Amino acid sequence: GAVVSQHPSRVICKSGTSVKIECRSLDFQATTMFWYRQFPKQSLMLMATSNEGSKATYEQGVEKDKFLINHASLTLSTLTVTSAHPEDSSFYICSARVSQGNQPQHFGDGTRLSIL
Amino acid sequence: QKEVEQDPGPLSVPEGAIVSLNCTYSNSAFQYFMWYRQYSRKGPELLMYTYSSGNKEDGRFTAQVDKSSKYISLFIRDSQPSDSATYLCAIKSGYNKLIFGAGTRLAVHP
Repeated sequence: GAVVSQHPSRVICKSGTSVKIECRSLDFQATTMFWYRQFPKQSLMLMATSNEGSKATYEQGVEKDKFLINHASLTLSTLTVTSAHPEDSSFYICSARVSQGNQPQHFGDGTRLSIL
Repeated sequence: QKEVEQDPGPLSVPEGAIVSLNCTYSNSAFQYFMWYRQYSRKGPELLMYTYSSGNKEDGRFTAQVDKSSKYISLFIRDSQPSDSATYLCAIKSGYNKLIFGAGTRLAVHP
């Protein structure tokens, strides 16, 4: 149980393109999902907390107009990297947690984004 | 001082060895502790989840929490080459966010 699916797994696109990444909880409902960014050989850096039916909460230094988050249902959150540039190239990972109780976060398999 | 400290390694051990991975944390209010395993180019996979002092065992894995020392450990018995990965400790803060350690890279060689 507690499976999180992330799509796509790999994106290569030109500078200036907007890229949408989907995160789905397959077998549980998640009122809260999280978006992380990970650089090579580094730990995960939290970008934002996505709340179903309300605005996302962004961490300090993360541009909310650059990284648009939509959490329209209890099983789906999307991250859109708008007008992506080479410096946005990274590994983006989402996680979700079961709504009730003190449950741990379960992670998707990440999206490797490369902007040319 | 970082909230969670973890030696990044790398740690190299022979197959069959017992592996000990450790983290220390600074805030005594933390109550929920996790260990994740991350293979290259994959997302973290939850291995262990504990919220009290003591030991929790699952197969070859044992998680240990010592709240008095603010120290958490993960032990891997009979390590296998397939255990080669990065191991991340994580602690849940009061805002349901996770605070990760730097991750320890483990290599188990045949």
